[in-house]
Amino acid sequence: NAGVTQTPKFQVLKTGQSMTLQCAQDMNHNSMYWYRQDPGMGLRLIYYSASEGTTDKGEVPNGYNVSRLNKREFSLRLESAAPSQTSVYFCASSKDRLGSGANVLTFGAGSRLTVL
Amino acid sequence: AQKITQTQPGMFVQEKEAVTLDCTYDTSDQSYGLFWYKQPSSGEMIFLIYQGSYDEQNATEGRYSLNFQKARKSANLVISASQLGDSAMYFCAMREVYQTGANNLFFGTGTRLTVIP
Repeated sequence: NAGVTQTPKFQVLKTGQSMTLQCAQDMNHNSMYWYRQDPGMGLRLIYYSASEGTTDKGEVPNGYNVSRLNKREFSLRLESAAPSQTSVYFCASSKDRLGSGANVLTFGAGSRLTVL
Repeated sequence: AQKITQTQPGMFVQEKEAVTLDCTYDTSDQSYGLFWYKQPSSGEMIFLIYQGSYDEQNATEGRYSLNFQKARKSANLVISASQLGDSAMYFCAMREVYQTGANNLFFGTGTRLTVIP
């Protein structure tokens, strides 16, 4: 019962390099999310996918792209990494949109990215 | 403007004592949800408790309870009988709906709780 799996757990990039963070969930959830966590700022939403085939921008989408590959997988791509993108990235999923009720986010373990 | 405010960067509590972590929120919506998550030093985010804006009773989950005061826009987390394993970062979050109809969880900056033996 893996839940939400993110890879890689750690990555060091040079400015201008590109990379993709992978996320997969095995809970048959419809909605998936990418957050970043920075010291003193809590978690902020980068992109989300309410259902397979749809993606939308969150609070801080600049510099990122996403792909909802299928119901299970949601990837986050940095096309040209910048030091400001040094952060811990969390993928999360929920059964449905965060509408009424306790539609809870289940998080992955996080990916620590450093851009030099 | 901050949607979620957690004014206590750090808190200490004696083992077996109760502790209250403060959270105030800002929204003009009538329908919203409030969540608390725990982040231990290992880094994962663990869901603790949920309170809906229309719920009349305060939510409880084992040793966790949410002191919901709607008029004051506060949603404080109460942990009873603290344990050493409760040492962690605690985040308050609010679900809100964008104008586009989408949803998001807005997180506070967190409170680091340390339980003293």
